[in-house]
Amino acid sequence: SQQGEEDPQALSIQEGENATMNCSYKTSINNLQWYRQNSGRGLVHLILIRSNEREKHSGRLRVTLDTSKKSSSLLITASRAADTASYFCATVALEGAQKLVFGQGTRLTINP
Amino acid sequence: DAGVTQSPTHLIKTRGQQVTLRCSPKSGHDTVSWYQQALGQGPQFIFQYYEEEERQRGNFPDRFSGHQFPNYSSELNVNALLLGDSALYLCASSSWGGETNYGYTFGSGTRLTVV
Repeated sequence: SQQGEEDPQALSIQEGENATMNCSYKTSINNLQWYRQNSGRGLVHLILIRSNEREKHSGRLRVTLDTSKKSSSLLITASRAADTASYFCATVALEGAQKLVFGQGTRLTINP
Repeated sequence: DAGVTQSPTHLIKTRGQQVTLRCSPKSGHDTVSWYQQALGQGPQFIFQYYEEEERQRGNFPDRFSGHQFPNYSSELNVNALLLGDSALYLCASSSWGGETNYGYTFGSGTRLTVV
């Protein structure tokens, strides 16, 4: 079963615009990670944010984490056609199994 | 520095057959996890291997089994295949205990189709 929900399920924007994806989860976490998947192939790790962090940046990516609301957002600025992919959030629980629990993903399409 | 290597890339099997998928972790990694991703869904955790032992297991039946070798590579075996086992199988490697800091490295997956 999936840990949480991602919103929206699909997003289509013009190249150069910003894209925002949201993720909600259910349990207390050690960290939350975002991954990108192109055309149903392997997952690429984008960024990891720990439960005691509120915001993190990596290049054109900005991730926020609100543990009180059990939610996170991923912002991609100045989008490019190459950003077209599915984006997944995944959590690692605070206690118990050190495994990734994924959401259902957001399908992002960047139109040229 | 080689990443995670999975083989084969595609596989077609008949219901009731058995299949073995293989994974070589990224250099320097000692832990291998397997995930199943059905079409349009997020990946689901199958199990994790470290020091040649299954350390954690997700909600998958005993038809799913695995093995880790001394060189850290791993196999996923699925017996008595069902149509519902059709999915992308992903291998992820990490350093034991390092996942909480650095995340996982995924392979490109094996696309299994059961007919």
